[in-house]
Amino acid sequence: DVKVTQSSRYLVKRTGEKVFLECVQDMDHENMFWYRQDPGLGLRLIYFSYDVKMKEKGDIPEGYSVSREKKERFSLILESASTNQTSMYLCASSFRGTNYGYTFGSGTRLTVV
Amino acid sequence: AQSVTQLDSQVPVFEEAPVELRCNYSSSVSVYLFWYVQYPNQGLQLLLKYLSGSTLVESINGFEAEFNKSQTSFHLRKPSVHISDTAEYFCAVSGTFNTNYFGSGTKLNVKP
Repeated sequence: DVKVTQSSRYLVKRTGEKVFLECVQDMDHENMFWYRQDPGLGLRLIYFSYDVKMKEKGDIPEGYSVSREKKERFSLILESASTNQTSMYLCASSFRGTNYGYTFGSGTRLTVV
Repeated sequence: AQSVTQLDSQVPVFEEAPVELRCNYSSSVSVYLFWYVQYPNQGLQLLLKYLSGSTLVESINGFEAEFNKSQTSFHLRKPSVHISDTAEYFCAVSGTFNTNYFGSGTKLNVKP
C-alpha cells in the first residue's frame, strides 16, 4: 500500500525551539507539499518542492523553511517556534505531470507552549 | 489566482437522506477540480477528481460531482448518506506546479 508517512502524530514544543517535521513517501513522487490546517481556514500551502534540492514558497512561508535532500523525504523546519504556529501540519505528494491529486500523510498536530 | 469557496461550514443530515455540498471556484485558466474527505483524526483522502471529458464524475462509495463551467461550480452529491459518511469534505482547484488550492471545508454530520 502506497504511503506518505509523517514521523510524529503529536508534538508539544516550547516557544523559541527549532522544530523539525519529517515526511517520507514511497511512491517515487516528484512533488511534495507542506500545508497547515486550521479550523475555518482549510488548508494553506506553506512550501512545496518539485525536485530534489528545489523549493518554492507557498502562500504562508513566513517563519518556516524546508529541506529536500532526497526525493522521498521533505522536511519542514520551524526556525523559532511561536504559539501562532500551533496547528495541524499535513504533508502530501504527487507526480509531476498531470495533476491527478495528492496522497496525504496522516498529519502532525503541533502544539507550541 | 485560484480560489475556492465552500459556502456551508456544517451540513447536518439524517441517514438515508440526500445531501449536496457546495463548491464554487474562481480561476482564469482551465482547471482540474477535486474533492477530498477527512475522517476524524486522519489525513485527507482523494474522493474524486475532474480532469477533462465527462462533466459528471463518480467515486466508488456513491458520491458524485458535476463540473459546471458556466457557474464555476463543482458540487458534491450523494442520493442516500450513511453514518459512515460523517467527515469533513474539502473542495480543491489546481494551480501552478500541481499545487492545489483548498476551500475551508464542510463538515458533514449524518444523524441516525
